[in-house]
Amino acid sequence: NAGVTQTPKFQVLKTGQSMTLQCAQDMNHEYMSWYRQDPGMGLRLIHYSVGAGITDQGEVPNGYNVSRSTTEDFPLRLLSAAPSQTSVYFCASSLGDRGYYGYTFGSGTRLTVV
Amino acid sequence: AQTVTQSQPEMSVQEAETVTLSCTYDTSENNYYLFWYKQPPSRQMILVIRQEAYKQQNATENRFSVNFQKAAKSFSLKISDSQLGDTAMYFCAFMTPTSGTYKYIFGTGTRLKVLA
Repeated sequence: NAGVTQTPKFQVLKTGQSMTLQCAQDMNHEYMSWYRQDPGMGLRLIHYSVGAGITDQGEVPNGYNVSRSTTEDFPLRLLSAAPSQTSVYFCASSLGDRGYYGYTFGSGTRLTVV
Repeated sequence: AQTVTQSQPEMSVQEAETVTLSCTYDTSENNYYLFWYKQPPSRQMILVIRQEAYKQQNATENRFSVNFQKAAKSFSLKISDSQLGDTAMYFCAFMTPTSGTYKYIFGTGTRLKVLA
């Protein structure tokens, strides 16, 4: 049972490049989400999904796209990378459709935009 | 709007001692959930403990327990018999299922160092 798997673990992008951060979970969790973690700011929600085919915006969605074609996968796309998107990105999933039980997190992706 | 405040950016404790991390929150909701997460240097976020607001009894998980004061909107984490492996960032988080959304709000974290 792998839990939540994020790839890559590290990435360096040039300004204007695009890329996709991958997230997969094998626990049949309905709820998945993406957070970014910046120093002194805790974790901020980018996008979330309550099931396949259903996504919604979080607190800081600008510059990011998501889709949820399967229960297992929830990729995060950076459309045109900017230095302000330098951060650590976490994917998380939750049992049930309400997140009552707490999250299972991936190990994170450290992204640097130069 | 809901907010979560962790007023202690850094703390330290001697191995085997007890330490309490503070967390306060602000909400007008009556139905909500509170969590403490641990983030060790490996970066993986791990759920430590969970509290349901409608339950008066404080949650406990082995050496970890909470002091949940609903009226004061306080949710502190007590770590007993501290171990070197408890060295980590600790985040307090709040979630309410208002309006069918499930957005967590995280505090800014407390960095805990356990000293040998």
